[in-house]
Amino acid sequence: DGGITQSPKYLFRKEGQNVTLSCEQNLNHDAMYWYRQDPGQGLRLIYYSQIVNDFQKGDIAEGYSVSREKKESFPLTVTSAQKNPTAFYLCASSKGHGGYTFGSGTRLTVV
Amino acid sequence: KQEVTQIPAALSVPEGENLVLNCSFTDSAIYNLQWFRQDPGKGLTSLLLIQSSQREQTSGRLNASLDKSSGRSTLYIAASQPGDSATYLCALPGGSYIPTFGRGTSLIVHP
Repeated sequence: DGGITQSPKYLFRKEGQNVTLSCEQNLNHDAMYWYRQDPGQGLRLIYYSQIVNDFQKGDIAEGYSVSREKKESFPLTVTSAQKNPTAFYLCASSKGHGGYTFGSGTRLTVV
Repeated sequence: KQEVTQIPAALSVPEGENLVLNCSFTDSAIYNLQWFRQDPGKGLTSLLLIQSSQREQTSGRLNASLDKSSGRSTLYIAASQPGDSATYLCALPGGSYIPTFGRGTSLIVHP
């Protein structure tokens, strides 16, 4: 079955460390997105990509970086510049007007 | 910029009630509207996708309607069950087809 796979499910980061969250889709979707979700808050857009080798900043891109070298993959790196990275991270994809599909999320905790 | 409002923010009902969740949006020039369900600590699961040319979609006990002219969508849940307890979000594509989300309605159905 087609879908989006996010890994790992849980991730722990030490102070000053960079970590990378994986997002892979086999839906042949062109666009991919990264969202951050904090308790009691809505979804906030970090980065999005509409085609391979191109991506745009969302509302809260500071402290994050992405790449889109393949259509299927859109990894998110949380850098040491992100001072409050503890959150739930969601990846999504879409094609045209066909709606959005989400992964199961990665919970990142700073230790 | 598209703005999405969901009312009520929270709802607690006894099992068996028919429910109405509301989603309003400011820009009626939309391609579609999508309803999602999110369980605690999980990703978003798509419930219904309504294309702009449609007025409603049905799946089991769920029915979603769309009125573009008034900027409103309604999710109707018939004969609610404890398993329906979750947060329900609506999403619309905004600029560059980036999804814009409401803050969600947190639903608790108690036995």
